[in-house]
Amino acid sequence: GQNIDQPTEMTATEGAIVQINCTYQTSGFNGLFWYQQHAGEAPTFLSYNVLDGLEEKGRFSSFLSRSKGYSYLLLKELQMKDSASYLCAAMDSNYQLIWGAGTKLIIKP
Amino acid sequence: ETGVTQTPRHLVMGMTNKKSLKCEQHLGHNAMYWYKQSAKKPLELMFVYNFKEQTENNSVPSRFSPECPNSSHLFLHLHTLQPEDSALYLCASSQDWATSGTEQYFGPGTRLTVT
Repeated sequence: GQNIDQPTEMTATEGAIVQINCTYQTSGFNGLFWYQQHAGEAPTFLSYNVLDGLEEKGRFSSFLSRSKGYSYLLLKELQMKDSASYLCAAMDSNYQLIWGAGTKLIIKP
Repeated sequence: ETGVTQTPRHLVMGMTNKKSLKCEQHLGHNAMYWYKQSAKKPLELMFVYNFKEQTENNSVPSRFSPECPNSSHLFLHLHTLQPEDSALYLCASSQDWATSGTEQYFGPGTRLTVT
């Protein structure tokens, strides 16, 4: 079957760095997405990786290893507004997104 | 209005009621989606429409009935729901369907409670 695994909850300190991991098993692969969802709000797109390696976008970076079925989202210089859920989703061979349950990130002062 | 809008934001309905959720996208996209989001569970794709035509129906019970009159509007008609249908219902759109790398834009969702 198809599956996405990511930690349920993580806690980090303001100003620090945090890495949120995601492993996936899909029938075929057409890329991996990360979305951010603040409580009570819509998920918003953060990044897309389809090739191996690191994509950097400001304070956020996303990494992909296709051979390992693994991705991570790296958040640097954490701010209180980064407290949110982070959703990992892999696109399968039918272009359907297979979603993880999300990682709730709590930032403490 | 910009982006993807959904109404109502909150809905409480009895199991015998009939109600409809509305979604509108102002992005000129060709594909629209309905998702169900339950606490601590992955997003569940319910329906996909591409150029107003339904392309996906992921084994959704018939008490959920979608309607897509044009590429900008999407409805979800609800009738005789069950308490386990209580969840956040998210609408999304994307420029194209079945294209690698196409990001989806989400609305704020309708928080549905079935009593």
